[in-house]
Amino acid sequence: EYVLTQSPGTLSLSPGERATLSCRVSQRISSRYLGWYQQKPGQAPRLLIYGASSRATGIPDRFSGSGSGTDFTLTISRLEPEDFAVYYCQQYGSSYTFGQGTKLEIK
Amino acid sequence: QVQLVESGGGVVQPGRSLRLSCAAPGFTFSSNGFHWVRQAPGKGLEWVAAISYDGSNKWYADSVKGRFTISRDNSKNTLYLQMNTLRPEDTAVYYCAIPYGGKLDEYFQHWGQGTLVTVSS
Repeated sequence: EYVLTQSPGTLSLSPGERATLSCRVSQRISSRYLGWYQQKPGQAPRLLIYGASSRATGIPDRFSGSGSGTDFTLTISRLEPEDFAVYYCQQYGSSYTFGQGTKLEIK
Repeated sequence: QVQLVESGGGVVQPGRSLRLSCAAPGFTFSSNGFHWVRQAPGKGLEWVAAISYDGSNKWYADSVKGRFTISRDNSKNTLYLQMNTLRPEDTAVYYCAIPYGGKLDEYFQHWGQGTLVTVSS
């Protein structure tokens, strides 16, 4: 069973700053099977990144994903007010597992 | 744009049953696999179950195996989740989701708005 550990649990930043969110997987996975989702209060999750580094349709280029093996990163280059939300990583290569989430809050 | 509409949530006593539905109007339903994902209040996302495009294959999280059944009616463009022997820890918003290309080894591309299930006496 794959366990995904996200860090930090909460990230406090200001608009315009750079955000770096981490997702560590308990076993090596192909980057093809790693995705990132954004969720705002009262809304369903929204796909941001798939295959570790490919942006989903309509996702601004300030969002980027990277990583391989067991360590993956979601980077938001310059935070906009609408980016403050909870972010989840997910592996979908062997069953389906989500990380516990990183809350990105306004400082 | 793909639209998924969940329904059937509500308040139910522990030990009772509930059936959720997920409708996908105007969508090529029968060629796609589907998932159910849940989120307990203030908690993270938990995958619950998946079903292949034709309903011949089904997979479940250990936490619901033997109690929940995923099914589909391709003639009605509707996905179901039959939940039996409900427990307070099943309290959550339940989402249906479609993977990319309808393939179950792909990321979750489209999500419904969710339906809330509360298990309480």
